Amino acid sequence: GAVVSQHPSRVICKSGTSVKIECRSLDFQATTMFWYRQFPKQSLMLMATSNEGSKATYEQGVEKDKFLINHASLTLSTLTVTSAHPEDSSFYICSARGVWASYEQYFGPGTRLTVT
Amino acid sequence: QKEVEQDPGPLSVPEGAIVSLNCTYSNSAFQYFMWYRQYSRKGPELLMYTYSSGNKEDGRFTAQVDKSSKYISLFIRDSQPSDSATYLCAMRDTGRRALTFGSGTRLQVQP
Repeated sequence: GAVVSQHPSRVICKSGTSVKIECRSLDFQATTMFWYRQFPKQSLMLMATSNEGSKATYEQGVEKDKFLINHASLTLSTLTVTSAHPEDSSFYICSARGVWASYEQYFGPGTRLTVT
Repeated sequence: QKEVEQDPGPLSVPEGAIVSLNCTYSNSAFQYFMWYRQYSRKGPELLMYTYSSGNKEDGRFTAQVDKSSKYISLFIRDSQPSDSATYLCAMRDTGRRALTFGSGTRLQVQP
């Protein structure tokens, strides 16, 4: 099956610093990648949709200058949390949709971000 | 009102029981319906996918969609302790590529 990886799996950073999270589709080309955020015992909340070679589309209420998304190739998308604050601490999950798929998204294992 | 409603549980059942998980939704434009399983601190894993109304069976899992009632279900037969996880329903319409998730139901299967 299609595999999506995320790196790092866990990161702890100090308030005010920036953190980059990578999402890679390992064995398929992903025209679209999605970034979600999940708080404990809550569902996934879509943050943004990114298409290879174009600007990401952000959901209402998500600051695009704070959460920078770069979908540089068909196998890599990055999410950079700039000037992180403790309230940005969360579980960030990406998903990727292959060029063949009309519905199926494959999820990465997630990245747990803790901002101290 | 949320677009997708799902009882958060927890739902606790004995091993071997039949489990019924449900979601209701309000957006009549939803056409694609999925069920994901998420273990603690892991990403969601796609279990079942259904397009429009109908039933779909895969091993111990059966997904049902009733668009007239805006109601979807996932049944798990012969439940196992390894089925203990959070189950998320998700859906989307034909025009939007992103998924709308339910809040997830936490299932515990007791050995």
